[in-house]
Amino acid sequence: GAGVSQSPRYKVAKRGQDVALRCDPISGHVSLFWYQQALGQGPEFLTYFQNEAQLDKSGLPSDRFFAERPEGSVSTLKIQRTQQEDSAVYLCASSSIPSTVLGNEQFFGPGTRLTVL
Amino acid sequence: GDSVTQMEGPVTLSEEAFLTINCTYTATGYPSLFWYVQYPGEGLQLLLKATKADDKGSNKGFEATYRKETTSFHLEKGSVQVSDSAVYFCAFYPGEAAVNKLTFGGGTRVLVKP
Repeated sequence: GAGVSQSPRYKVAKRGQDVALRCDPISGHVSLFWYQQALGQGPEFLTYFQNEAQLDKSGLPSDRFFAERPEGSVSTLKIQRTQQEDSAVYLCASSSIPSTVLGNEQFFGPGTRLTVL
Repeated sequence: GDSVTQMEGPVTLSEEAFLTINCTYTATGYPSLFWYVQYPGEGLQLLLKATKADDKGSNKGFEATYRKETTSFHLEKGSVQVSDSAVYFCAFYPGEAAVNKLTFGGGTRVLVKP
């Protein structure tokens, strides 16, 4: 079976442009997470979906960041009016069970590397 | 707040050497603890986990024991191989939250030379 996939793998944007990053989780996985990984750092949580419901968006750094998962499968992270500080790798992860279950494993995609010029 | 501190790299070793990567955490409640590994050009993969105190996680020759008294989860391997060259991340779930999201350390780059 396929793992988590993300597209595009690389994205270069000019400052001020809008970008959309796509995540295809493992089929049937109810939980979906987005993380942001700055160069040389560990990933940091952005937002969480359980099916189509966005239950936690506390990690989104500003109102320029928006995520959706309208049918409970594919998710899109959108960044409006990109800034240089948005340059990072954006990771998507999915899990087969709700996040309230302790110890559940998250499966990560390869990430999208966003560079804002 | 919740946080993870792990030793900074890079760590450079010769093949068959002993590897230890220290990890300590600060959390309320009873977190679940993880080690993730990122091989060059690949995504994050779960290496091992432990969900309660004194549990030992193990995989691919790596081990880590959940030490509640020292709030630590150090990663060890007795004899490393060149193929173990990667970035290792310690992470945890807080354990008492509506949404268990992973909190990661900054990562430790390990380079094993033949």
